[in-house]
Formats: sequence, structure tokens, C-alpha cells
Amino acid sequence: KAGVTQTPRYLIKTRGQQVTLSCSPISGHRSVSWYQQTPGQGLQFLFEYFSETQRNKGNFPGRFSGRQFSNSRSEMNVSTLELGDSALYLCASSGGTAAKNIQYFGAGTRLSVL
Amino acid sequence: AQKVTQAQTEISVVEKEDVTLDCVYETRDTTYYLFWYKQPPSGELVFLIRRNSFDEQNEISGRYSWNFQKSTSSFNFTITASQVVDSAVYFCALSEAANNNDMRFGAGTRLTVKP
Repeated sequence: KAGVTQTPRYLIKTRGQQVTLSCSPISGHRSVSWYQQTPGQGLQFLFEYFSETQRNKGNFPGRFSGRQFSNSRSEMNVSTLELGDSALYLCASSGGTAAKNIQYFGAGTRLSVL
Repeated sequence: AQKVTQAQTEISVVEKEDVTLDCVYETRDTTYYLFWYKQPPSGELVFLIRRNSFDEQNEISGRYSWNFQKSTSSFNFTITASQVVDSAVYFCALSEAANNNDMRFGAGTRLTVKP
């Protein structure tokens, strides 16, 4: 069974640009969550999608958005990039119910904003 | 509000030593889940264990063991006879049942096992 796949693995952008990251969950998983990891703030929850609907949202500005498709694949978009957006972005998938809330993570996308 | 504290930023041990990683949590919910993840240099978070708030039984899995104590709001992780391959950053995390998959992570403990 394939794990969580994130593409691309590395990205370099400049301030003001926008970026889209992609996440393919484990087959059969309907929940996809996104996290940002930085040396200063650690691992922070961005948002969760379940059955194409945002179910939960962390404390991030509106520049951070996401969506989920009918096949459970998810994309995350960051507009008007800032230097502080440089981070490792991790995607996790889970079975979606409270009893199956073990989240399995992808290898992440490392975004550098210059 | 939910919060996880891992007071140990870095730990260094010599191979075959036992090591305990501490985790203290705060939550107002009566139903919650606690997790431990391992992050090797590759960056991927590897799931190790999940405990729900109604199950205080300790768990042992090979060289790994976990001690969950609700009375002290702690969920500590012990590695017995550590190995170089155990070197990684270890994260403790908390998820309240009402918040679905919104996991709050501790700051992590970097474990270095020297040969």
C-alpha cells in the first residue's frame, strides 16, 4: 500500500509569488491535514479536509488555502509569499473517523522563499 | 486550550543506554488522544503510538515503552538499549476528540545516540 505522496519535494520561490503544493493520501483515506514546520514555531496545524470540505482550520492568515478533490487528493496554496513562509510543509492522511484518527505523514515539501 | 510540552530539547546518550523522553500535556477535554512520532533526517514523521484518554495501560513494543499517567498529565516514552538508528527528533502530540485531526505537537526532543 503506497504511503502519502507529496509533490514537489523542493520549491524555491520569490517574495510575492504564489505556490501550490500537492498531496495524495493513502488509498482509502478521506481526511487530509496540512502542517507547517519551521525551526522557530515548530509543527503547526494549517487545516484539515474531509470529503472535499474543510473540517478544521488552524490560526493562519487567509493567504493559506486548500482544497480537496473527489479522489481525496489535496492541494495547498499560498499566495503573496513572504520570507517567513519558508518551511517544511507536511501533509497527513487518516481514515477520517475519531476511532481512526492516526495520521500518516508524507515526506513533505520544503519551500524556500527568497 | 490544548498544549504539549517537551521540556527536553536535546538528549545525547551512548549506544545501549536507556533513555526516557518526557511529555506533559494540557487539555480541558475528557476525550483526547496522545501520540508519539519520530522524525528522522529525511523529514517524514513516522507514527509510533496512539493512546486514548480512557486507556491508561502502559505499552511495550520491542525496545520501546510508553507510560501514560493521567494524574500527572504525562505520556513518557522510553527506549531501552538505544541504538544509533534511534537518532531522530521525537514529537509528542495531542488531539482532542472535538477537534478531529487538529493535532498539537510539542517542540520535539532531538535524540542523538552515539556508538
